[in-house]
Amino acid sequence: GAVVSQHPSRVICKSGTSVKIECRSLDFQATTMFWYRQFPKQSLMLMATSNEGSKATYEQGVEKDKFLINHASLTLSTLTVTSAHPEDSSFYICSASRQGEPYEQFFGPGTRLTVL
Amino acid sequence: GQNIDQPTEMTATEGAIVQINCTYQTSGFNGLFWYQQHAGEAPTFLSYNVLDGLEEKGRFSSFLSRSKGYSYLLLKELQMKDSASYLCAVLDSNYQLIWGAGTKLIIKP
Repeated sequence: GAVVSQHPSRVICKSGTSVKIECRSLDFQATTMFWYRQFPKQSLMLMATSNEGSKATYEQGVEKDKFLINHASLTLSTLTVTSAHPEDSSFYICSASRQGEPYEQFFGPGTRLTVL
Repeated sequence: GQNIDQPTEMTATEGAIVQINCTYQTSGFNGLFWYQQHAGEAPTFLSYNVLDGLEEKGRFSSFLSRSKGYSYLLLKELQMKDSASYLCAVLDSNYQLIWGAGTKLIIKP
């Protein structure tokens, strides 16, 4: 168990458009979901942490109006990159933790975003 | 501040043994993780240590010394498919994962 999916796996969009990435826990209820960004040859950078039904907690330096996070249910969180620009091109990865097990995160396969 | 250090890159030979070190300074400690990440893919869980000592799991072992703020990941009988980045991450007092920059392991035949 503990499978996390992400959709889409790859997306190419024009500058100025918005892109939505979905993260789903397929076989468990995810009380907390995390969104990461990873630039080439760099480590994971936590963008925000979201709990079901409440507002996301953003890390310092991450614009909450640009990266909209919705955690509407215990199995789904979405990240919307609004008015995307080429510098937003990156690998976006979500992870989820199970209720009662806050120490382990299960990662989705990631979404490669390219903004032209 | 919080800091995790691990070597940027290591090279080893197929069939050999390699040890990847990780030192950390964090606000509180609730465990240390090792993840494997192949290029272009998400990280996959390898190990979790919260008590001192060695945890063995097949070809991979992970060691922790909390007093020294030190861990290592030991990979035995290296295979070409082990070429990947290995990420060390510490769960701090707020149960937030603090990530190291990763160690890129290159396996040569």
